[in-house]
Amino acid sequence: KAGVTQTPRYLIKTRGQQVTLSCSPISGHRSVSWYQQTPGQGLQFLFEYFSETQRNKGNFPGRFSGRQFSNSRSEMNVSTLELGDSALYLCASSHQLAGDTGELFFGEGSRLTVL
Amino acid sequence: DQQVKQNSPSLSVQEGRISILNCDYTNSMFDYFLWYKKYPAEGPTFLISISSIKDKNEDGRFTVFLNKSAKHLSLHIVPSQPGDSAVYFCAASDGGAQKLVFGQGTRLTINP
Repeated sequence: KAGVTQTPRYLIKTRGQQVTLSCSPISGHRSVSWYQQTPGQGLQFLFEYFSETQRNKGNFPGRFSGRQFSNSRSEMNVSTLELGDSALYLCASSHQLAGDTGELFFGEGSRLTVL
Repeated sequence: DQQVKQNSPSLSVQEGRISILNCDYTNSMFDYFLWYKKYPAEGPTFLISISSIKDKNEDGRFTVFLNKSAKHLSLHIVPSQPGDSAVYFCAASDGGAQKLVFGQGTRLTINP
């Protein structure tokens, strides 16, 4: 069973540009979450999508956006990149319905460097 | 405002001994807690979880303890093995695991 796949794995952008990251969840998983990992901050929740709808949102500016397609694949976009956006962006998928507990399955992440 | 804190950035333990990783939280609405392990260049992998209605959960060498009054949880690894060397993240949620709040992580090194 294939795991969570994230593309690209590494990318370098300059300030002011925008970036789109992609995530393919485990087959059958309908929930996709995105997290940002930076040194010293741990993993910070960006947003979660379920059946093409954003169900939860973290405390990030509107430059960070996402969407989910009918096949559960998800993309996140960061516009007007800032140096502080340099981070590892992790996608996680799960079966979960609202209120359920259970594990998230993470991808290997997309490492973004903003110069 | 860090709602989940792992105050030890790193921990070094001898192989075969017990590793104890600690985590504190401030939000009394959290009702589900998890530990994830992360190796370099890989995504975090789920290790063990505990619901707030319990105070202990065991899975092989891993045990998680929850002290709700102190808003504290800990992960015990016995015996520690070299393959346990990784970064360990504590996470918490209030009503489902769709939105987890993570700690900063503790880098555990098991010395042979």
